[in-house]
Amino acid sequence: AQKVTQAQTEISVVEKEDVTLDCVYETRDTTYYLFWYKQPPSGELVFLIRRNSFDEQNEISGRYSWNFQKSTSSFNFTITASQVVDSAVYFCALSEASTNAGKSTFGDGTTLTVKP
Amino acid sequence: AAGVIQSPRHLIKEKRETATLKCYPIPRHDTVYWYQQGPGQDPQFLISFYEKMQSDKGSIPDRFSAQQFSDYHSELNMSSLELGDSALYFCASRRATSPSGNTIYFGEGSWLTVV
Repeated sequence: AQKVTQAQTEISVVEKEDVTLDCVYETRDTTYYLFWYKQPPSGELVFLIRRNSFDEQNEISGRYSWNFQKSTSSFNFTITASQVVDSAVYFCALSEASTNAGKSTFGDGTTLTVKP
Repeated sequence: AAGVIQSPRHLIKEKRETATLKCYPIPRHDTVYWYQQGPGQDPQFLISFYEKMQSDKGSIPDRFSAQQFSDYHSELNMSSLELGDSALYFCASRRATSPSGNTIYFGEGSWLTVV
């Protein structure tokens, strides 16, 4: 069975601080995909990144960066110089790398509040 | 670029009524997924369709049914609604055969309130 754990339920930071959201996963699959989604107060789920299990390169996209470490089954997400608009719930998700790839297992989400 | 379209965006129904949610996937996407997100909870997978056939089933109640039509749009039918069905229902789509086929794209969701 697959499981995604986001241990941080809520995080509050002040604007311009860096913040890291943790994600730890469990799976028996050797090939899988990891995702991060942002859910702002308006409710939609916004895709941020996909990482496959064979690609452990860290990725940076603007103020966002992701650290994938297969050895510790972690896929952490860092926001540098946070902004008020980053306030949202962030979900980490795991899916099989197969025809069921869209059947994702989500973590419980981390609510990030960025204060001015 | 065209995204996943869901309708209606908001729906209010009374207990024991029936509701139908519609999902129009991104053009050329052949796979549709339905998720249910209760208040303060993470999205839970309900059901998926690939090429108009049900491909997987999650925690979907027997009172719910869904199908994918020839134009690839999908409908989620919910009958005998209960208060606990109040949730945000997401549809997502992907194109299974594309290089990025393992990325699914979510619609904006349909808010169902059962009173």
